[in-house]
Amino acid sequence: GAGVSQSPRYKVAKRGQDVALRCDPISGHVSLFWYQQALGQGPEFLTYFQNEAQLDKSGLPSDRFFAERPEGSVSTLKIQRTQQEDSAVYLCASSLDLNTGELFFGEGSRLTVL
Amino acid sequence: GQNIDQPTEMTATEGAIVQINCTYQTSGFNGLFWYQQHAGEAPTFLSYNVLDGLEEKGRFSSFLSRSKGYSYLLLKELQMKDSASYLCAAASGGSYIPTFGRGTSLIVHP
Repeated sequence: GAGVSQSPRYKVAKRGQDVALRCDPISGHVSLFWYQQALGQGPEFLTYFQNEAQLDKSGLPSDRFFAERPEGSVSTLKIQRTQQEDSAVYLCASSLDLNTGELFFGEGSRLTVL
Repeated sequence: GQNIDQPTEMTATEGAIVQINCTYQTSGFNGLFWYQQHAGEAPTFLSYNVLDGLEEKGRFSSFLSRSKGYSYLLLKELQMKDSASYLCAAASGGSYIPTFGRGTSLIVHP
């Protein structure tokens, strides 16, 4: 596709459920990022992939959060045993060349945990 | 770690000029980014400054002073559609991963 695609756009989960959020980056983009954005806040870094390698996962808030990109293209962010504080928009971004500074963001997946 | 500070909210009049300031504290600075985010939409890239000085891109300009840990985004000839959140972000520590501030909500009124 022309841009970064994320699904689902909206997800409602009961506390304790597992969720999986998908990101389809722009074709050919080597770098892929996940960010978490709470209402009224800036995006908070979660994790970064270069191709299939997860080079930085320092932003993942707990071991309930797990991300993968097995073939260096599509990525999945999985949250186990969701808690209410996990409610946020999860943004995925991709980049062809980090030297340009330009990340292309998807519209995000809005997760609401009840 | 990084500390990025920008005003929470600003208001301005259509047709006017507004300057949104951002200060940052980092180690191993690798560049300063500005993104625009309309409510409920994805952030979109505006600028990336690595060297000191002013970079102009149409109605938007971005300035960086590395020695002062300071940047600003200048918006000229404001239009109603410029009402959005403006996110300042810095990369540091040998990484090019942007760390974002909380954003400045700009309200443009007639």
